[in-house]
Amino acid sequence: DAMVIQNPRYQVTQFGKPVTLSCSQTLNHNVMYWYQQKSSQAPKLLFHYYDKDFNNEADTPDNFQSRRPNTSFCFLDIRSPGLGDAAMYLCATSIIRGHEQYFGPGTRLTVT
Amino acid sequence: TQLLEQSPQFLSIQEGENLTVYCNSSSVFSSLQWYRQEPGEGPVLLVTVVTGGEVKKLKRLTFQFGDARKDSSLHITAAQPGDTGLYLCAGVRIQGAQKLVFGQGTRLTINP
Repeated sequence: DAMVIQNPRYQVTQFGKPVTLSCSQTLNHNVMYWYQQKSSQAPKLLFHYYDKDFNNEADTPDNFQSRRPNTSFCFLDIRSPGLGDAAMYLCATSIIRGHEQYFGPGTRLTVT
Repeated sequence: TQLLEQSPQFLSIQEGENLTVYCNSSSVFSSLQWYRQEPGEGPVLLVTVVTGGEVKKLKRLTFQFGDARKDSSLHITAAQPGDTGLYLCAGVRIQGAQKLVFGQGTRLTINP
């Protein structure tokens, strides 16, 4: 059974049109992460939540926001997608910070 | 500066051959993970190593953590086409933020 679920798997949005990606987990892990991955590159951490505590990476653009309404769900909001934001977006969880992470299948975002 | 240097970045070999992928750093890691990622999917955790000198085996895959916990290797015996994918090493440094540092990845292709 899937432990980290991402919806949708594929998302197409228009330039400048807000989009929300969702992630849910059945592992009851405290930490949830959002990564951006471009073709054949390693994932790049955008931000993470430790429980309700939000931790942004210094180089994450303001265009990217996140919400975690409860332990199981976390959302990635892109307020005004640009062509450069087209990528695979990966959600991951870990029981605490510094422990191994479990990734979801990703959402492939296309910006037209 | 890349904290985890992974090599080679690309490798294409014939079915049945053996191969080794390396992950090196000047930093000490409290743990190191290896992931395999197939096109259009999220990374799947293969193994976590935590003890210096540790060797773990997963069928035809052998993972080793260096004695000083600064490096790791992945050896595949008798490679099969199903081993094709992007292999990522990632670790949590002893000093610094408790987040995953990724290598650049190794794109492995096994030809039938």
